Amino acid sequence: AQTVTQSQPEMSVQEAETVTLSCTYDTSESNYYLFWYKQPPSRQMILVIRQEAYKQQNATENRFSVNFQKAAKSFSLKISDSQLGDTAMYFCAFMKANAGKSTFGDGTTLTVKP
Amino acid sequence: EAQVTQNPRYLITVTGKKLTVTCSQNMNHEYMSWYRQDPGLGLRQIYYSMNVEVTDKGDVPEGYKVSRKEKRNFPLILESPSPNQTSLYFCASSLIQGMTYNSPLHFGNGTRLTVT
Repeated sequence: AQTVTQSQPEMSVQEAETVTLSCTYDTSESNYYLFWYKQPPSRQMILVIRQEAYKQQNATENRFSVNFQKAAKSFSLKISDSQLGDTAMYFCAFMKANAGKSTFGDGTTLTVKP
Repeated sequence: EAQVTQNPRYLITVTGKKLTVTCSQNMNHEYMSWYRQDPGLGLRQIYYSMNVEVTDKGDVPEGYKVSRKEKRNFPLILESPSPNQTSLYFCASSLIQGMTYNSPLHFGNGTRLTVT
């Protein structure tokens, strides 16, 4: 069984600064995907970024990037130039390729302060 | 517009009264899944379906049923709801191609269920 751990229940950052959210996971699988999802107060789940385990290059999406360390089973999310709209709960998620089970972390509540 | 539609968005019911939460997607996705979200526990998977007539248990299936008679629909059934099933429920779908490709999960807007 896979486990996903987000060790920071709450974090805060000043607007325009950079923040890193941590995620570690445990699996014996070799082919899998990792995701970060954002849940603003509207409660909608929104994909932030996606990483394929077989790709060594870290994924980036505009101000969002990941530091994927496969051997260490670490998948942190870096948010640059933080904006007030980034205030949300962030979930790290694991999904085995072509398989149904998915596992989410407990979430990190991020507050961006003006 | 590509979307996953859940209904209802809010539901208050009493213990033991059977209910169904509907979920429909218009993206022709093979994979669909149900999750519940509780404070401090993240999202926990209830059931998932890899394709029509193929369903399997997630981590917390007790007290729930699902069916997948059509590709687009994946209803969640609570035969005899209890207060510990009070939660926020999400349906999601994903495209799975071949042995290695999974698209990200597309989520519905959630159903807030209260069982008294």
